[in-house]
Amino acid sequence: QTVVTQEPSVTVSPGGTVILTCASSTGAVTSGHRPNWFQQKPGQAPRPLIYSTSNKHSWTPARFSGSLLGGKAALTLSGVQPEDEAEYYCLLYSSGTGYVFGTGTKVTVL
Amino acid sequence: QVQFVQSGAEVKKPGAAVRVSCRASGYTFKTYAIHWLRQAPGQRLEWMGWINAGNGDIKYSQNLQGRVIITRDTSANTVYMELSGLRSEDTAMYYCVRERAGTFDYGGQGTLVTVSS
Repeated sequence: QTVVTQEPSVTVSPGGTVILTCASSTGAVTSGHRPNWFQQKPGQAPRPLIYSTSNKHSWTPARFSGSLLGGKAALTLSGVQPEDEAEYYCLLYSSGTGYVFGTGTKVTVL
Repeated sequence: QVQFVQSGAEVKKPGAAVRVSCRASGYTFKTYAIHWLRQAPGQRLEWMGWINAGNGDIKYSQNLQGRVIITRDTSANTVYMELSGLRSEDTAMYYCVRERAGTFDYGGQGTLVTVSS
């Protein structure tokens, strides 16, 4: 079964930049995996941020961007704000098995 | 506006089944798929399966194959998720989320299912 791995936790200063990555046990992540990124704050439903690798929803702040980086999906937070403190999950598609969530990254703004 | 309303919290005994509903409004129901996700307390999100609300195609997570059934009622713009053989590890928040062409966007508020003897 596919395992999707993310950094367990990162700490970033307000105004700083951080890159979260999402790796698949089956090999390089491509656009064919349809990478989606979700943000989840405690006690809230997950909120979609990025779809199809790099596309933003109308509600996604401009400081969030998605890409492919070194065989992984990546979510870059530029000019981090205190309200960006949350758990971030990637979601990858496989035609055989459906979708798989990543292990999640807890972002602390300090 | 697009909205999803999920059914209320449930408490079930081990071995029982639970059915959670997700009623959609504000868009053409048959033009999107609906996915079910869940999250046990303190754990990561887990993808459970999806249904194409138009043609009824379904795919389930291998982890839950045989215990989960997803159905839809197009006349009521509602998708249902039934999970059987409940065990304590199924205690979780269950969410429905809309998707089309790999784009996940709007979803429900979540339904808490508690499995306890």
